[in-house]
Amino acid sequence: DGGITQSPKYLFRKEGQNVTLSCEQNLNHDAMYWYRQDPGQGLRLIYYSQIVNDFQKGDIAEGYSVSREKKESFPLTVTSAQKNPTAFYLCASSTSGTGVAYEQYFGPGTRLTVT
Amino acid sequence: AQKITQTQPGMFVQEKEAVTLDCTYDTSDPSYGLFWYKQPSSGEMIFLIYQGSYDQQNATEGRYSLNFQKARKSANLVISASQLGDSAMYFCAMREGPHNGGATNKLIFGTGTLLAVQP
Repeated sequence: DGGITQSPKYLFRKEGQNVTLSCEQNLNHDAMYWYRQDPGQGLRLIYYSQIVNDFQKGDIAEGYSVSREKKESFPLTVTSAQKNPTAFYLCASSTSGTGVAYEQYFGPGTRLTVT
Repeated sequence: AQKITQTQPGMFVQEKEAVTLDCTYDTSDPSYGLFWYKQPSSGEMIFLIYQGSYDQQNATEGRYSLNFQKARKSANLVISASQLGDSAMYFCAMREGPHNGGATNKLIFGTGTLLAVQP
């Protein structure tokens, strides 16, 4: 079955540590995205990538970093510079292009807790 | 500025009744797309329905329909014959077309509406 996997589902870290969240897709999508969701809020875009070896900052990129070395993979690193890292993180992918009809497919999410 | 507004933080509906979830949007781009997603308590976002700005008819997908009123910039989701499994958060989202540099497939999300279906 095609889809997006994120691991782990729950992640706990101590303050000051970097942590990397995994995102893998087998949908053959060119574009991938990382969102952050806080309680009572919608999704906010952290980073996105439309093609391998290229990515752009979203609305809240500070304290995060990404890489896109393979089409299938788009890992997100939450660095110690991120002031409020505890949140629910969602990865998504979509067909890339100029059309507006390309829905994004989401993974199951990773809930990160930093204490 | 691009913006999605969902003014209903939470709603109740009786099982088997219809419910409308409100969504208004703001964009200066003539070409855009509107999406609705469902987020159950498990957290995964599930795509429900899509409406293009140039579509002449309202989109429908099974029990979901989108009441698209372009002049009012609203794109309300209508769920007919509600089921207990419809209890979830519902998010409205917008993607702008390429005219305003929107070729990135970026989505802008509203804050969501929590729907509770009562037996």
